Formats: sequence, C-alpha cells, structure tokens
Amino acid sequence: ETGVTQSPTHLIKTRGQQVTLRCSSQSGHNTVSWYQQALGQGPQFIFQYYREEENGRGNFPPRFSGLQFPNYSSELNVNALELDDSALYLCASSLARTGAKDTQYFGPGTRLTVL
Amino acid sequence: AQSVTQLGSHVSVSEGALVLLRCNYSSSVPPYLFWYVQYPNQGLQLLLKYTTGATLVKGINGFEAEFKKSETSFHLTKPSAHMSDAAEYFCAVTQTGANNLFFGTGTRLTVIP
Repeated sequence: ETGVTQSPTHLIKTRGQQVTLRCSSQSGHNTVSWYQQALGQGPQFIFQYYREEENGRGNFPPRFSGLQFPNYSSELNVNALELDDSALYLCASSLARTGAKDTQYFGPGTRLTVL
Repeated sequence: AQSVTQLGSHVSVSEGALVLLRCNYSSSVPPYLFWYVQYPNQGLQLLLKYTTGATLVKGINGFEAEFKKSETSFHLTKPSAHMSDAAEYFCAVTQTGANNLFFGTGTRLTVIP
C-alpha cells in the first residue's frame, strides 16, 4: 500500500510568481485535503476535493485554487505569491465513506519559501 | 465554531517519566478528536482518535488519551517517555458534517536523557 506522496519537497519562488504543488493520494482514497502550516503553527485547512469536485474551503483567498484528477491525485495552485505564503503545504487523503471521523493520512509536505 | 487550545508550546520530560500533553476543545456539537505527531521534516502521523464509544482511547507507541466532556478536554499521556518520542504533537477537532480538521498550535516535546 503506497502512502501519500507530495512533490516537490522544497521550492523557492519570488513574490508575484505562481506555483503548483502536487499530491498523490493513498491507494483507494477518493478525498484529498490541503493544509497550510506556517512556521510554529498548526495546519490550517485550505480546501478539500472529493471525486474531482471542491468539497469545502477554508478562509483562503481565490488565488489559492486546486484540482483533483480522475486517479484522485491533486494539485494546489497559488497565484501572485506573497511573502506570507511561505509555509509547509500538507496534503492529506482519506476515504470519505464515514465523513468527518475518517482518518486523514498526511504526506510529508512541500516547503515553499517566497522571497 | 470549533477550536482547540494546547496548553504549553514546549514540554520537557526526562526519559522514563510520564508524558502529559494538554488539549482543550470548543465545539457546539459532539466532537471527533485526534492527536497527530510530527517528526522533523515530516508530515503528520495519527496517534489516536476519539469518535464515539469508550472515552479512553489507546493509540500507537504506547500513547493514550481520555475524552472528558465535562472538562472539554482530550489530554494525551504516555506512562514512560522514550527518546524517540521527541517531536511536535498536534491536537485536532472536527464534527459530523464537517470536512476538515481544526488544529491546535502544537506542543513540542523534548525528552531529556
């Protein structure tokens, strides 16, 4: 059974640029959630995708967008990068049969630095 | 609205001593509660979770937590700390119908040899 994988591991961008982060779900999981973890903070929910549709969104601006593909892998896109976007971005997959109490399995994250 | 408060951003214990990491939650409906551990440069790993049923929940690596509704708490304990327990620990809450976890700010556990 393959766990959640994310790429790239690290990324450095400059303000105003755009970035795409990728996530492969754990085998058999149809739900992907993205979280932003700023330094010294807990993860904050960005959005969730279930069967290729957005299924909930946190308090993040529209320049944060996403996609989920038929194989349930996912992308997080961030446009017009700002310095405060520097963070660890975590992807989590789950099998949404039971909803909220389902365990979310996290990937190792992508460390984004915006200069 | 849901939220989690983790008391103590840093906790130090001696190897072999009791580990106690505190978590208090706020939720207007019955909560689902989770503890995750994060090792340096890694993602989050689930230690244990409470959904319904028995209020004392046993997890991996010898950790356990007790759901106390009257105290709105879900503290994490381990009888005897190991050096390998040094990590960041996050408490999280969610509820039926929600699709995301609300995390606390984390507690960094240091184990002193």
